[in-house]
Amino acid sequence: GQQLNQSPQSMFIQEGEDVSMNCTSSSIFNTWLWYKQDPGEGPVLLIALYKAGELTSNGRLTAQFGITRKDSFLNISASIPSDVGIYFCAIDQTGANNLFFGTGTRLTVIP
Amino acid sequence: DTGVSQDPRHKITKRGQNVTFRCDPISEHNRLYWYRQTLGQGPEFLTYFQNEAQLEKSRLLSNRFSAERPKGSFSTLEIQRTEQGDSAMYLCASSLEGGHGYTFGSGTRLTVV
Repeated sequence: GQQLNQSPQSMFIQEGEDVSMNCTSSSIFNTWLWYKQDPGEGPVLLIALYKAGELTSNGRLTAQFGITRKDSFLNISASIPSDVGIYFCAIDQTGANNLFFGTGTRLTVIP
Repeated sequence: DTGVSQDPRHKITKRGQNVTFRCDPISEHNRLYWYRQTLGQGPEFLTYFQNEAQLEKSRLLSNRFSAERPKGSFSTLEIQRTEQGDSAMYLCASSLEGGHGYTFGSGTRLTVV
C-alpha cells in the first residue's frame, strides 16, 4: 500500500532554533501539502506545492517540492512556542478526490 | 462564516450503541469529506460528497458506517453497533470543487467503552 514516511518522528528543540523535516514516498505525486495539527483540533493547511523543484514560503515556514517528485521538505526558522504541534505532509492523489497523509512529525519547542 | 463546525466535540458511548455525528461545512463549499484519525496516525479518508451525492467511499467505511448529506449542506456520519476499534477522532473537511487544501473542522472524538 501507499506510504508517506515522515522524518523525524519527533523533535525537541530550543526556542529560536531552526527546524527541518521531510516526507518521502516511493511514488511520484503532482501535489504536496503540509498541514499542522494542534492538540484536539483538526489539521490546518500551511503550504501547498504544485511543481517539482518549487520553493514556497509562508512567513517563517518554507517548503520545497522535491525535484524527483517523490519527496518534500518543510523548514521552520526561528521557532517559537506556538510552533508546537504535529506536522503532516499529504499528497493529493490525482483523480482520487481525497488526501493521503503521512505519519507526522511531532514538534516540541522548549522556551 | 466561522469555518467547518462539528458536533459533538466529544462522545463516549457503550459498545453496541449507535452514534451520529454532524458536520456543517463552509457554506460555499460544495465538497465535504469525512476522515478518521487514530492516536499517533495521520487522518485517513472515509468518504466524500459533492453537493448531495456521495461519490467515493473508502474500504475503511464498513457497512456499520453510513454518511448522508441530504440537501448538499450539512452532513451526518452514523456508526451502528459501535466497537472499541471505532474509538478515534472523526474529522470533517470541506472544499470547493477543484480546490486543494481542505478546511478541516475540530473533529468529534469518539470513545467506545
